[in-house]
Amino acid sequence: SAVISQKPSRDICQRGTSLTIQCQVDSQVTMMFWYRQQPGQSLTLIATANQGSEATYESGFVIDKFPISRPNLTFSTLTVSNMSPEDSSIYLCSVENYNEQFFGPGTRLTVL
Amino acid sequence: QKEVEQDPGPLSVPEGAIVSLNCTYSNSAFQYFMWYRQYSRKGPELLMYTYSSGNKEDGRFTAQVDKSSKYISLFIRDSQPSDSATYLCAMQAGGTSYGKLTFGQGTILTVHP
Repeated sequence: SAVISQKPSRDICQRGTSLTIQCQVDSQVTMMFWYRQQPGQSLTLIATANQGSEATYESGFVIDKFPISRPNLTFSTLTVSNMSPEDSSIYLCSVENYNEQFFGPGTRLTVL
Repeated sequence: QKEVEQDPGPLSVPEGAIVSLNCTYSNSAFQYFMWYRQYSRKGPELLMYTYSSGNKEDGRFTAQVDKSSKYISLFIRDSQPSDSATYLCAMQAGGTSYGKLTFGQGTILTVHP
């Protein structure tokens, strides 16, 4: 399995600001994913990030709101832009390794 | 109708009990099936991964898939208090949807001593 770390682990932010979440993997992986887990809900895929190409967003998620970078095979960032209280969630990155998907510890975001 | 339905529970059992967790799905394109365990304030941890109908066993855990009925289960034998967590089923289609997981809403399990 892959070892995945995320920064920050949690943050409290003001409405209208932006937060960038970092995801670091201990090995090179082709596919990285960003998920959102809203309070009391399950995980929903935001986008798929492959190195060297634009991220692919799922229905209901747009690049202007959730810009993603994937500069190399071990790192990705997700920015939550112009935040509102509805963006309060846990944001998780995951990686695919031999058909299995492994998750980071998550970033708990609270927007006031 | 959600693509994946999972009974949210909560489920409370005594230590040593056999636990059965279940999910149904409607999308025939799902080919890969997973069970994750998520402890409070942690990321999901992959427990079982399978892609064929039938049973797959790993220690105290058995994953069962019935593609004809679009039904998957996770059985936990000799449950322990350390098994107390939220259990999430997840599914993945092949082809262009490769890599995208669709999750059930999770079942909260408590195993009391």
